Amino acid sequence: DIQMTQSPPSLSASVGDRVTITCRASQNIGKWLAWYQQKPGKAPNLLMYDGSTLESGVPSRFSGSGSGTEFTLTISSLHPDDFATYYCQQYHSYSWTFGRGTQVEI
Amino acid sequence: QLQLQESGSGLLKPSETLSLTCTVSGGSIRSGRPSWSWIRQRPGKGLEWIGYIYESGTIYYNPSLRSRLTISVDTSNNQFSLRLGSVTAADTAVYFCVRGAPDSSGYFTHWGQGAPVIVSS
Repeated sequence: DIQMTQSPPSLSASVGDRVTITCRASQNIGKWLAWYQQKPGKAPNLLMYDGSTLESGVPSRFSGSGSGTEFTLTISSLHPDDFATYYCQQYHSYSWTFGRGTQVEI
Repeated sequence: QLQLQESGSGLLKPSETLSLTCTVSGGSIRSGRPSWSWIRQRPGKGLEWIGYIYESGTIYYNPSLRSRLTISVDTSNNQFSLRLGSVTAADTAVYFCVRGAPDSSGYFTHWGQGAPVIVSS
């Protein structure tokens, strides 16, 4: 299986901060990466797919970049609603795998 | 709006069989080309994709669970199901049923709320 490594595992930030989360794949996955946001007690919610395509309805302060083995999710200006855990997921090859998550907290 | 809802056994003893059903509403399980997957989240661990099924019956299982796993689809009732045999405490998790991307790509667009499953003697 392709291993997905996220960094940092957690970060502290304030409203208005620019936040960047990194996801590294153990082998080349092209652009086949998605990002999800999960809040406590809820299911994950799709933010981005194909590395940089914003899912419909997701605020434009979220952006994604990267290809191959290194990807980033950026929140340009943190809103109170953005405090959550973020996961990357590769769908280049089976079995589809997720990163361990990055918790964004105050 | 498409919604998914898990139902089924929540408390199991070791060696029993976990059985969950996902009911899809607000759309047909036969529409488009999405996959229908199960994903689990074990306490303190990340997300693990279990496997998928298409309405055509095409199936793919995570090899780590394949020997104990059955995923099936019931298009007449707009449902798909998961059976995981010989459970242990390591199968304790929240289980999500999930719809895949409309173009059969491997990301997940719609999630159920999650069904907690506890395996304990």
